[in-house]
Amino acid sequence: DGGITQSPKYLFRKEGQNVTLSCEQNLNHDAMYWYRQDPGQGLRLIYYSQIVNDFQKGDIAEGYSVSREKKESFPLTVTSAQKNPTAFYLCASGPQDRITRNQPQHFGDGTRLSIL
Amino acid sequence: AQKVTQAQTEISVVEKEDVTLDCVYETRDTTYYLFWYKQPPSGELVFLIRRNSFDEQNEISGRYSWNFQKSTSSFNFTITASQVVDSAVYFCALSRNTDKLIFGTGTRLQVFP
Repeated sequence: DGGITQSPKYLFRKEGQNVTLSCEQNLNHDAMYWYRQDPGQGLRLIYYSQIVNDFQKGDIAEGYSVSREKKESFPLTVTSAQKNPTAFYLCASGPQDRITRNQPQHFGDGTRLSIL
Repeated sequence: AQKVTQAQTEISVVEKEDVTLDCVYETRDTTYYLFWYKQPPSGELVFLIRRNSFDEQNEISGRYSWNFQKSTSSFNFTITASQVVDSAVYFCALSRNTDKLIFGTGTRLQVFP
């Protein structure tokens, strides 16, 4: 079945540690996104990538980094510079061609990150 | 600036009641897209509907219906004869003629048996 796989489901970070969240999609989508969700709040865009080897900052990129070496993969690293990383992280993908753009984004099941 | 407001933080109903979730948006664009997503307790976001700014037709899908009114910048979502399985957080979202989504803060719907 086509879809988006995020791993791990739960992740714990120690102070000063970088951690990487995995996101893989087999939907053949060009665009991929990372969102952060805090309790009682909506989703905020961290980074997005519209094509391989290219990505742009979203609204809250500070303290995060990404890479897009393959179309299927868009890992997110939460660096030690992110002082408040505890949140629910959602990865999404969507088609990017002119005809299908603004089609709905498909979301993974999320990774819940906590500080130890 | 673009913004999505979901003023209802939490709604509780009893099964079989109808319930309407409000969504008000702000944008200066003439072309834009509106979405509703459902987030069940498991956490993933499930797409429900997309509507573009040129299509003000209301839509019905089973027990779900959507009322899009550009005059009031609203895109409200009604669930008819609610069921316990409808319990979730519902998000309204807006995008310009790009693919970046701007989400509201969500409305938590609890349906009691």
